[in-house]
Formats: sequence, C-alpha cells, structure tokens
Amino acid sequence: GENVEQHPSTLSVQEGDSAVIKCTYSDSASNYFPWYKQELGKGPQLIIDIRSNVGEKKDQRIAVTLNKTAKHFSLHITETQPEDSAVYFCAASYNTNAGKSTFGDGTTLTVKP
Amino acid sequence: DTEVTQTPKHLVMGMTNKKSLKCEQHMGHRAMYWYKQKAKKPPELMFVYSYEKLSINESVPSRFSPECPNSSLLNLHLHALQPEDSALYLCASSQAKGELAANTGELFFGEGSRLTVL
Repeated sequence: GENVEQHPSTLSVQEGDSAVIKCTYSDSASNYFPWYKQELGKGPQLIIDIRSNVGEKKDQRIAVTLNKTAKHFSLHITETQPEDSAVYFCAASYNTNAGKSTFGDGTTLTVKP
Repeated sequence: DTEVTQTPKHLVMGMTNKKSLKCEQHMGHRAMYWYKQKAKKPPELMFVYSYEKLSINESVPSRFSPECPNSSLLNLHLHALQPEDSALYLCASSQAKGELAANTGELFFGEGSRLTVL
C-alpha cells in the first residue's frame, strides 16, 4: 500500500517569512495530492491540491510542487501570517479516490508575530 | 463555515452506554466517510459509503456500527466502547466515482465530534 512521509513535524517561522513542508510517497500509481489545513478544534480543510499531470500549482500565497520522478511534493507558503498557524497534512491517492487517501503525519506550523 | 455538519460536538459516555454520532451534508455528494483522529495524528479511515452502500470497512471493531439512512445523512452508532476509543470522530463527504460531475477528489470534513469514553 501507499506510504506517505511528511517533514518537518514542527516548523516555526517569523511572520513574513516563507514556510516549506515536504512529503514523499511510495506508490508510483498515486496521482492526486491534496494538502489539508487543520486549525485547533476544527476539521481539516483542503487548501490546495495537485494532480500528477501538473508540476506546479499556485493560489495566492500558497503553492504546491510535484516531482513525479522523485515521488515527492512540497507545500510553499510565502509571506506567512499568524493565521497560517495550524497543522498541515499532505495526502496521496489514486484516481481521485478521495476516501482511500493516505495522509502524512502532519506538520505543526507556528507563525510568530 | 463547513458544509458538513456533525452533532454532537462533544460526547462523554460510559463503557456500557449506547450513543450515536450524526453527520449531514447537502452538497449532493454520494460518498461519505467516517474517520477517527487521535491527538497530533492524521485522520484514520474507518468506513466509506458510496451511493448509500457500505463500500469500505477498515477492519473496525463491531462496537462501531455505521448507518447511511439516505444520501445526506451518515450515522455512527457506538456501543460498549473502550477508553482507548476516545478521539475526535470526523465525518467527510466527496463526489463519488461514476458521478457525472467531475470528481475533484476533495474531501469536505465536518468539525468533528470529540468523544470521551470513561
């Protein structure tokens, strides 16, 4: 089955700095890679996703890159703000089979004002 | 605001109690899920319903019993739970395979029901 490793487990940055979270996956058949943000006391929410036919996707301050050959993908947040503080999970699945997504262990991001 | 509504938000129950968690969505999604999440861990898939039929049971103990009365509702019946079952239980929905609309693959999560078993 799929295995997703996520690093780092914790990340602390100063407001305005960039943050990068990296994930690697094992199953070359995986072709859908979402990123979820989970704030304290809430359920995870999708913030950005990428499919295997695309190398990079950007949405305002958030971008995701995918390297299919190396089987890794990364989340980039620029100009971080305190409200970006949360736990971020990467995930991988095959053919948008969302329910069978394999999640990474999560990264706790703290943005210091 | 989440479009997946879960009740109750908090539940405390004894090991001999019977209780239920409820989940509702009105996005027209035909796939619904139950996840269990322990502190500082990712969500773990428990059950998947596709078109109101149970399609995946991830070897969950029978003290957890899911039910999908219709395409908008998902229940999780709890009986004779153990203290280690204490966790955040998340409901999610998504478009299902075979739906005419493009399946984005996005999971829409509710805010969860925090369960404490004494």
